[in-house]
Formats: sequence, structure tokens, C-alpha cells
Amino acid sequence: SAVISQKPSRDICQRGTSLTIQCQVDSQVTMMFWYRQQPGQSLTLIATANQGSEATYESGFVIDKFPISRPNLTFSTLTVSNLSPEDSSIYLCSVERQRARNTEAFFGQGTRLTVV
Amino acid sequence: LAKTTQPISMDSYEGQEVNITCSHNNIATNDYITWYQQFPSQGPRFIIQGYKTKVTNEVASLFIPADRKSSTLSLPRVSLSDTAVYYCLVGALLGRKLIFGQGTELSVKP
Repeated sequence: SAVISQKPSRDICQRGTSLTIQCQVDSQVTMMFWYRQQPGQSLTLIATANQGSEATYESGFVIDKFPISRPNLTFSTLTVSNLSPEDSSIYLCSVERQRARNTEAFFGQGTRLTVV
Repeated sequence: LAKTTQPISMDSYEGQEVNITCSHNNIATNDYITWYQQFPSQGPRFIIQGYKTKVTNEVASLFIPADRKSSTLSLPRVSLSDTAVYYCLVGALLGRKLIFGQGTELSVKP
């Protein structure tokens, strides 16, 4: 099974600042996914990060607000920039892997961001 | 990507069997059905995956009728620790992005 180390696990940030979240995977993967989960809500896909190319953003998410880096096949960062209280959410990274006859998604522990 | 519809919440008691049904009327031929479980303050965790008929593993069963327009996750003899949100996802395997619906919040009571 894939092991994803995500950090920080939580942070409290001031308005207007930025937070960078890191995800490290225990083996190489082609795609990494970044999600946001607002309080009491389901997960919303922010973007898909491929190594060596620019991330693909979902509708409603833009690179200036959520820049993503993918320097190699085991690591990615998501930055949430120019923070406002509306950005207070849990952010999760995810990868997919085949195990037995299934294709499973594995998630990091999540980063709980509070903007004050 | 096929849209899914699930009950928003369900209640159960310890020891009961729980069946959560998901509707996916627009499922495509190459789509699989996958269920995830999420506990508070954790990322979702894979439960079970199937294409048709019935799939069973050590934690759950998945029933898929012939038309594949719905699926039912069956949890046998639930315990308090099964209290979680359960998500049904439909899509092709590998390389596809996961689109989460609203999920079903299951509450298991003593």
C-alpha cells in the first residue's frame, strides 16, 4: 500500500500570508491529486499534478491562488496563497495505485488550515 | 464522469447489517464502482470496488444489478467504529480523477 506523508498536519495562518503543504509518497507515481474539504463538506478536487508539466486545475481553482509544484515522481507541494478566512479547510493529497485487482486511492493525513 | 446520489445520512445499531445504496444512472461501460470510508480528521480509505454482480472482501460486500445504474454497499454487523462517512464513486480506473459526491454519514448507536 502507498504511504503518503503530508505536512504540516495543521496550521493557523494570518490573512494575506501563504501556506505551503508538502506530500511525500513512498514510491514513484505519475499523478498526484490535491483536494480541499471544507468543514462538514465532501472533498473537492483542486488540481492534478503531473511530474514535468504544469498542473491541471479544476473549475473554480486557479494557479495564482493554488500554485503546485511537482519536482519529481514522489513529491509535490500545494501552496494556498493570499489567505482569507474562506480558505480555512482541510487540504489532502492523494495518489492512485493498483493493489490486487483493485485501483485504490491513498490519501495523506490532511492539513487542517485555519486562517485568522 | 457519472454523477452519484446517496442518502445524506443513515442511523443504525450495533450488530445490525447496514445497506447503503448509491444511484449512478449515467454510468459508462468502462466505469467501475468504488466505495470509500472517511473518519473525522482522516483522509478517505478504500473499502471495496466492483464492476458487476457481487464483490465481497473482509469488511464489506458490494451488490451491483445487471443494469449497473445503482450499487449497494453492505456492512455486516456494524460496530460503533463503523460510524463514518461513506462515499460512492464511479469512473474508469487508473489515471482518472476522483470526484466525490456528498457521501452518506452513517451513525452507529449502541
